[in-house]
Amino acid sequence: DVKVTQSSRYLVKRTGEKVFLECVQDMDHENMFWYRQDPGLGLRLIYFSYDVKMKEKGDIPEGYSVSREKKERFSLILESASTNQTSMYLCASRTGTGVYEQYFGPGTRLTVT
Amino acid sequence: AQSVTQLDSQVPVFEEAPVELRCNYSSSVSVYLFWYVQYPNQGLQLLLKYLSGSTLVKGINGFEAEFNKSQTSFHLRKPSVHISDTAEYFCAVNRAAGNKLTFGGGTRVLVKP
Repeated sequence: DVKVTQSSRYLVKRTGEKVFLECVQDMDHENMFWYRQDPGLGLRLIYFSYDVKMKEKGDIPEGYSVSREKKERFSLILESASTNQTSMYLCASRTGTGVYEQYFGPGTRLTVT
Repeated sequence: AQSVTQLDSQVPVFEEAPVELRCNYSSSVSVYLFWYVQYPNQGLQLLLKYLSGSTLVKGINGFEAEFNKSQTSFHLRKPSVHISDTAEYFCAVNRAAGNKLTFGGGTRVLVKP
């Protein structure tokens, strides 16, 4: 069965802290994605990775960075968390060829105080 | 660039009544179309997808959607909803030659007894 897991369901951090969100997939997928979800805005792409050590900016990369050292793991980093980064963060993965379905993790609800 | 508009942010509906969720997109190139569902406190799950062929697509849980190229729409329907269909529904498009999904703002469906 397809599985994407995220390291935390809920996270509370202080302004200025460095925050790591981790995502692991067990499907040997080439592509991995980080989104943030805000009410009324749907999901917006922060970054995606199409291979190990390869990354590409999405629509809202400012204030974020990513790391992909292994195929199954994709990390989102908030270098200095701010209150406007309070949101739900969703990770997804998909195969590099064929059908374009993305598989999603359960999400991490991050609150920055 | 592509964009997706979900015309209703919230749709209240009584149990066993039909429901239609509207989705319009804009794109200058061929696209693939998706509907995802997000149950409370969960990640997104694929309901159905249109890649090519028949414009009427059937998905899980009794949902179906119709692709209308001339109207650039991909509306989702279910003839009779259950309480368990209470969720948020997202329409998304992927360029036929691209990696990225673009999501609409979401439609929250509340099924009332």
